[in-house]
Amino acid sequence: NAGVTQTPKFQVLKTGQSMTLQCAQDMNHNSMYWYRQDPGMGLRLIYYSASEGTTDKGEVPNGYNVSRLNKREFSLRLESAAPSQTSVYFCASSENRAGVRDEQFFGPGTRLTVL
Amino acid sequence: QQQVKQSPQSLIVQKGGISIINCAYENTAFDYFPWYQQFPGKGPALLIAIRPDVSEKKEGRFTISFNKSAKQFSLHIMDSQPGDSATYFCAAGIIRDDKIIFGKGTRLHILP
Repeated sequence: NAGVTQTPKFQVLKTGQSMTLQCAQDMNHNSMYWYRQDPGMGLRLIYYSASEGTTDKGEVPNGYNVSRLNKREFSLRLESAAPSQTSVYFCASSENRAGVRDEQFFGPGTRLTVL
Repeated sequence: QQQVKQSPQSLIVQKGGISIINCAYENTAFDYFPWYQQFPGKGPALLIAIRPDVSEKKEGRFTISFNKSAKQFSLHIMDSQPGDSATYFCAAGIIRDDKIIFGKGTRLHILP
């Protein structure tokens, strides 16, 4: 099992460019998440998907869109990148059985720089 | 509005010492309190978690202490080792909800 995989690992964009960060999990998990990590700010939730076909905003959704393509894949799109979106992006997944708080499994991250 | 406050931001401990990281929360509906460990260049991974019906949970050298009335919980690392050097995040959530809220993290460095 690869767990949670993310592509690309590194990316440099110019202001105004667009890109999609890809995430896939092979654990048959129901829920998937996108976080951003900035120095001194911890992990902040951008969007999450509780189950296939649903998506919801997290704490910092502005400037981002997401697609839950199927149960395995959850992508994050930056339509017009801004320097404030320079960050490390983590995808996570969780089984989230009813009435149980399951562990979130994180991918290795994508380091994005917007010039 | 920060719902989970974590301190200190950074911590340096001698090998063999006790590392202590503290967190406080505001929402009394929280009923799940995990700690995540992150090594440089890696994603976070669950270290240990506690629910508010117990005051302490121990796994090896790692112990969570929980004080429901004070709305505080802490991570103690006994006999700290250089391999424990990492960033630690406390978090809080509601069992029936789909998400958790993370503290800002503590960068721990254990001196050899």
